[in-house]
Amino acid sequence: ETGVTQSPTHLIKTRGQQVTLRCSSQSGHNTVSWYQQALGQGPQFIFQYYREEENGRGNFPPRFSGLQFPNYSSELNVNALELDDSALYLCASSLVGGVEQYFGPGTRLTVT
Amino acid sequence: AQSVAQPEDQVNVAEGNPLTVKCTYSVSGNPYLFWYVQYPNRGLQFLLKYITGDNLVKGSYGFEAEFNKSQTSFHLKKPSALVSDSALYFCAVRDMTGGYNKLIFGAGTRLAVHP
Repeated sequence: ETGVTQSPTHLIKTRGQQVTLRCSSQSGHNTVSWYQQALGQGPQFIFQYYREEENGRGNFPPRFSGLQFPNYSSELNVNALELDDSALYLCASSLVGGVEQYFGPGTRLTVT
Repeated sequence: AQSVAQPEDQVNVAEGNPLTVKCTYSVSGNPYLFWYVQYPNRGLQFLLKYITGDNLVKGSYGFEAEFNKSQTSFHLKKPSALVSDSALYFCAVRDMTGGYNKLIFGAGTRLAVHP
């Protein structure tokens, strides 16, 4: 059984640029959630994808968007990067309605 | 709204001593509660969960947690701490608002186990 993987591990971008982060879900998991963990804080829910559609969203602006593909993998896109977007971005996979979420190692994004 | 609070930023304990990391929750309905651990530059690792049943939940790496409904608490415990337990610990509650499953996390507690 393959766990959740994320790429890249680290990324440095300049303010105003756009970034795409990638996530491969655990085998058999059809739901992917993304979380943002700013330094010194707990993870905050960004959005969730199921059946290639966004089925829930946290308090994040529209410049945070995502995709889910038929193989359940997912992308997180952030446009017009701001300094406050610097954070660890975590992807979690689960079965729809499942209790547990399984997290990947995260992508560390630094915006300068 | 569902929420969890971790009142301690840091917990210090000597190796071999028991440890407790505190968590309190505020939910409507029956809580689904979780503990995760995060090592430096790593993602979140699941330790244990409470859904229903026994108030004492056993998890990975010798950790356990006690669910207390009257005190709305879900404290993480381990009888004998190891230096390798030093990490960041997060308490979380499941939130089904909107009909989908998401986790609401506390701010985290850094556990430092000293030799």
